[in-house]
Amino acid sequence: DAGITQSPRHKVTETGTPVTLRCHQTENHRYMYWYRQDPGHGLRLIHYSYGVKDTDKGEVSDGYSVSRSKTEDFLLTLESATSSQTSVYFCAIRGGPAGSYEQYFGPGTRLTVT
Amino acid sequence: DAKTTQPNSMESNEEEPVHLPCNHSTISGTDYIHWYRQLPSQGPEYVIHGLTSNVNNRMASLAIAEDRKSSTLILHRATLRDAAVYYCILASNNNDMRFGAGTRLTVKP
Repeated sequence: DAGITQSPRHKVTETGTPVTLRCHQTENHRYMYWYRQDPGHGLRLIHYSYGVKDTDKGEVSDGYSVSRSKTEDFLLTLESATSSQTSVYFCAIRGGPAGSYEQYFGPGTRLTVT
Repeated sequence: DAKTTQPNSMESNEEEPVHLPCNHSTISGTDYIHWYRQLPSQGPEYVIHGLTSNVNNRMASLAIAEDRKSSTLILHRATLRDAAVYYCILASNNNDMRFGAGTRLTVKP
């Protein structure tokens, strides 16, 4: 158990509304990641963070922003949700021995944009 | 695009060994080979990783070809709980782990 929680676990929202998803870790890991997973696809990286206030874009970052003001929390924001952002969102941390790049995932947030 | 190639699906009988193949012909010298699995309605779960040598842990074994262009995840005795999608991924310090579609493993009782 890597001590990762995500909130909310489920959310239904309307097109055009802002949405923030939270990822919380208890083990002080430096790297944190946000992925999305759509039916028939593997996970795709949205954004990641390599320290407090240090973030970078991933493969599918358009329409998303992130913030990390504390080591333990990594927030993903959809400024104006669209139906194409209906997905399951997973947070992950990088753990394991130095240089191994192992990632440990949270339970996911199922977001539906109507 | 994913940098690995895996079969879409495989079947196994319970309590038999399973060999899940992965091709990664464009692997670079700094890429680690990672395997994750995802059970239904759960997040991916780390299984094993290696660089050049074969690796064993409590969950599985990883056999890496000498030229590193392919690898095989070995589950020594499949159980019903091992039914999942298995992802073979190349990981390095660029934080760009690309999950492909993976291999869906079905375990028959």
